[in-house]
Amino acid sequence: AQKVTQAQTEISVVEKEDVTLDCVYETRDTTYYLFWYKQPPSGELVFLIRRNSFDEQNEISGRYSWNFQKSTSSFNFTITASQVVDSAVYFCALTLYSGGGADGLTFGKGTHLIIQP
Amino acid sequence: SQTIHQWPATLVQPVGSPLSLECTVEGTSNPNLYWYRQAAGRGLQLLFYSVGIGQISSEVPQNLSASRPQDRQFILSSKKLLLSDSGFYLCAWSVNAGRETQYFGPGTRLLVL
Repeated sequence: AQKVTQAQTEISVVEKEDVTLDCVYETRDTTYYLFWYKQPPSGELVFLIRRNSFDEQNEISGRYSWNFQKSTSSFNFTITASQVVDSAVYFCALTLYSGGGADGLTFGKGTHLIIQP
Repeated sequence: SQTIHQWPATLVQPVGSPLSLECTVEGTSNPNLYWYRQAAGRGLQLLFYSVGIGQISSEVPQNLSASRPQDRQFILSSKKLLLSDSGFYLCAWSVNAGRETQYFGPGTRLLVL
């Protein structure tokens, strides 16, 4: 069975600071997808990024960047120049690839990010 | 574009009462559909998923059941609610092809008293 660990339960930083959210995963499969979702206070999960296990290229989207390292089974998320609107719970998730059918996501327990003005 | 709806948004029910939560998706055909529960705190747990009408897979034995009477409709039910059924219920959909990204609805907050 797969497992996703987000060791940071809560992080609090002052606005404009950079912050990194850690995600470590476990799976015996060689093909899988990794995700990050954002859950603002309203509750809805907002999709941020999907990365497949064959692609270790880092990705940058505006102030957001992701560092995927298979050697350490990590998929970390960095927010540069944080803003108050970034305050939310962030979830890392994994699903296996089997070429068809459906399967649920295995989520980490989430990191509550608080950006103080 | 695709949208996913859930209702009701909030629900307060007494222990032992029945439950019916509805999820509908617009703008796509033959989606995969999922029900997750987020208990107090965080932690999302997959409850059910469906790859087509009438096809339901259960991940966790519990007091709940799911049905898919129409292509884009997914219903979560219970005959008798327990206190432990309280939580935030999220429906999600994905394209029916491999492990596509799951997109979530706004959720239903259920409080069982």
